[in-house]
Amino acid sequence: ETGVTQSPTHLIKTRGQQVTLRCSSQSGHNTVSWYQQALGQGPQFIFQYYREEENGRGNFPPRFSGLQFPNYSSELNVNALELDDSALYLCASSYQATNEKLFFGSGTQLSVL
Amino acid sequence: RKEVEQDPGPFNVPEGATVAFNCTYSNSASQSFFWYRQDCRKEPKLLMSVYSSGNEDGRFTAQLNRASQYISLLIRDSKLSDSATYLCVVSFSGGGADGLTFGKGTHLIIQP
Repeated sequence: ETGVTQSPTHLIKTRGQQVTLRCSSQSGHNTVSWYQQALGQGPQFIFQYYREEENGRGNFPPRFSGLQFPNYSSELNVNALELDDSALYLCASSYQATNEKLFFGSGTQLSVL
Repeated sequence: RKEVEQDPGPFNVPEGATVAFNCTYSNSASQSFFWYRQDCRKEPKLLMSVYSSGNEDGRFTAQLNRASQYISLLIRDSKLSDSATYLCVVSFSGGGADGLTFGKGTHLIIQP
């Protein structure tokens, strides 16, 4: 158990809808990163939040947005869902914005119909 | 473009055998290197970091060749529980702002 929890575990949405995914980081960690993993692919970096600010972003459009709260938990919001957004969304927590030790949650499986 | 390439497999290997796989990365300025393990429909878990001097953790040995820009993983005396997808991972900067770049993974199946 990593101590990183994500909710919900599964979600079904239709094209054009909006979705919010949630992540609670491991105790003592102040950094949360979000990744998208499509079937048969490796995870792709969406963005990272460090001390409530976006600290870096991958090649994802602005309809992917996020928040980090004072307790370091985080949300990923996706607007105007597209079929290609169907994927496993992984949250990873770490300390001080490092990549050296990332602890992943078990993910949210999003299906867009 | 920042890329990490690895053979997707599957590698079908008998129990007890030694198996090795490599990956290559495109950005010569890459800073940190890792192997992650991912079981089916589960989250990736850090298997080991990879250093230029090479490092070993039990039955697992990782090597980094910066000149050729490739990373290898060797598994000795393979166990059924080693069946998983092994993700080659590179960090292009020292901090986390660029995130990790994952390969697509190599699928390993250990057969009894």
